[in-house]
Amino acid sequence: GNSVTQMEGPVTLSEEAFLTINCTYTATGYPSLFWYVQYPGEGLQLLLKATKADDKGSNKGFEATYRKETTSFHLEKGSVQVSDSAVYFCALIYNDYKLSFGAGTTVTVRA
Amino acid sequence: SQTIHQWPATLVQPVGSPLSLECTVEGTSNPNLYWYRQAAGRGLQLLFYSVGIGQISSEVPQNLSASRPQDRQFILSSKKLLLSDSGFYLCAWSEDLGEKEQYFGPGTRLTVT
Repeated sequence: GNSVTQMEGPVTLSEEAFLTINCTYTATGYPSLFWYVQYPGEGLQLLLKATKADDKGSNKGFEATYRKETTSFHLEKGSVQVSDSAVYFCALIYNDYKLSFGAGTTVTVRA
Repeated sequence: SQTIHQWPATLVQPVGSPLSLECTVEGTSNPNLYWYRQAAGRGLQLLFYSVGIGQISSEVPQNLSASRPQDRQFILSSKKLLLSDSGFYLCAWSEDLGEKEQYFGPGTRLTVT
């Protein structure tokens, strides 16, 4: 089926550290891929997206590249801040509207 | 710009009581609407989606139902809540079908006691 697997957390980092959250997907065809972020007590916000192979999505210093050969969409940020503490969800969309989410990775950045 | 509202923000209800959660979208017309549930420490599960007034599709058989009485209003209901209905309920909208990103509301945290 169509699904996403992302690395389990929690992840705890110091400010200015490098962050990587792994995400791999299983899908028929070529789905669009997304990273959503959920700050404490809030709903989900779209962080970035990529719609085809080799696309790179970027926003707020975060980047992720759609890798068809490895079926991956890893999220990276070169220098995290305390304000990046949140839960990050990898997702894909299939059948035009169905979003399949990973379980989420909790990231805590310490000052 | 488009905005999506949900209420209430939090709700504590006893087992067996009814439920009604409301979601409204502003600034767009004929959106696709979605209800998701997020159980503690887990990802999101799509519960219902709607492509138009009165058109509801259920993704997971359960104790809940959804209705869309107006173009930009989406309601999640239950006649009798179960303990397992506790969770964080998120409403979302998208412009149309075709792998469009979905935009989420602030959510309702439901605790069934």
